[in-house]
Amino acid sequence: DSGVTQTPKHLITATGQRVTLRCSPRSGDLSVYWYQQSLDQGLQFLIQYYNGEERAKGNILERFSAQQFPDLHSELNLSSLELGDSALYFCASSVAEGYRETQYFGPGTRLLVL
Amino acid sequence: AQSVTQPDIHITVSEGASLELRCNYSYGATPYLFWYVQSPGQGLQLLLKYFSGDTLVQGIKGFEAEFKRSQSSFNLRKPSVHWSDAAEYFCAVNRDTGNQFYFGTGTSLTVIP
Repeated sequence: DSGVTQTPKHLITATGQRVTLRCSPRSGDLSVYWYQQSLDQGLQFLIQYYNGEERAKGNILERFSAQQFPDLHSELNLSSLELGDSALYFCASSVAEGYRETQYFGPGTRLLVL
Repeated sequence: AQSVTQPDIHITVSEGASLELRCNYSYGATPYLFWYVQSPGQGLQLLLKYFSGDTLVQGIKGFEAEFKRSQSSFNLRKPSVHWSDAAEYFCAVNRDTGNQFYFGTGTSLTVIP
């Protein structure tokens, strides 16, 4: 158990819908990263937040957005869902040891868009 | 540009045999290096990491990895594979807090009796 929690574990929805994925980082970790993992794309970095502020953006679609709240939990919002959005979505939180950072992953949310 | 290459998409080994998974990186500076393992339907679990110092690092589950600067490699090894090691293995790099992590495409390991 990494200490990173994600809810829900599974999500089934229809095209055009909107869903929210939630992530709670490990106690004390200020950074949260979101990743999408699909069979054809591998592990894709979406976005990073640090202490409530967006720090880096990866291959995140405009239909997707995220935020990190004062209590450091984060939510990833996926809207106008398409079949191709079906994937595993991982959250990771990181601990910094000086300038060195290690990511710890949550168990993921499996999204199925029908 | 920073990148991580795992040349082997899939590897099959016999239980009890030794294992080496390859990872090569391209990075502007000496990166920090990580290996993660993902069992089916699970999240990624950190196996080991290299920041500096001894280039041979020990991790969990009997894994070790060696950083070779001259070859830009960070290969993962295990002397004797167990059936429970069957999983997907990811190599990752980054440098300094706040920099993006770059992941390889993964190597799928099958262990046969």
